[in-house]
Amino acid sequence: EPEVTQTPSHQVTQMGQEVILRCVPISNHLYFYWYRQILGQKVEFLVSFYNNEISEKSEIFDDQFSVERPDGSNFTLKIRSTKLEDSAMYFCASSEVDSLRPGELFFGEGSRLTVL
Amino acid sequence: QKEVEQDPGPLSVPEGAIVSLNCTYSNSAFQYFMWYRQYSRKGPELLMYTYSSGNKEDGRFTAQVDKSSKYISLFIRDSQPSDSATYLCAMRRSNFGNEKLTFGTGTRLTIIP
Repeated sequence: EPEVTQTPSHQVTQMGQEVILRCVPISNHLYFYWYRQILGQKVEFLVSFYNNEISEKSEIFDDQFSVERPDGSNFTLKIRSTKLEDSAMYFCASSEVDSLRPGELFFGEGSRLTVL
Repeated sequence: QKEVEQDPGPLSVPEGAIVSLNCTYSNSAFQYFMWYRQYSRKGPELLMYTYSSGNKEDGRFTAQVDKSSKYISLFIRDSQPSDSATYLCAMRRSNFGNEKLTFGTGTRLTIIP
């Protein structure tokens, strides 16, 4: 069964360092997303991406964040200068353009980021 | 007032019991409602998808939407230990494009054998 894969599963970094989280969405999906979940809190939307452009971004997604689809398979989230409050589980998700169930996102297992 | 409110639990029930999970929302623009299930250390997966007010059934699961009260529910009949997970309600305003989902905090459910 097709699935969204994310790497790394866990990354520990020092405050101020750059981090890149990688995702391989399901191959025929064209909508891509990043969500995050701080421990004990809700899943929060960060950004959506389609046709090599950001479709929508949240207030959390400030200038320290960027996304990129560098090739035909990967979708990355970069945090330029990490802060303690960036510690969270980051979920990549993808969905079909012509889904019969708009809003059906397929999530990866997440990348846990710990900022020290 | 939060856009989406969900009792975080935790909720523990014996195997075979009927489980009721609920969310309320404040934004009347939400029109599409989903329940996602999240097992420990996994990403959320879609469980139920509804649009109109009323009930939608899928096996042991029933999703209920009351737009007039801004209230949605998920019922699980004959609950099984494998149903132990965190249940997240999610909603969006339209079925257009890749609009974001707004999630509740999730309810952690444990089914006791």
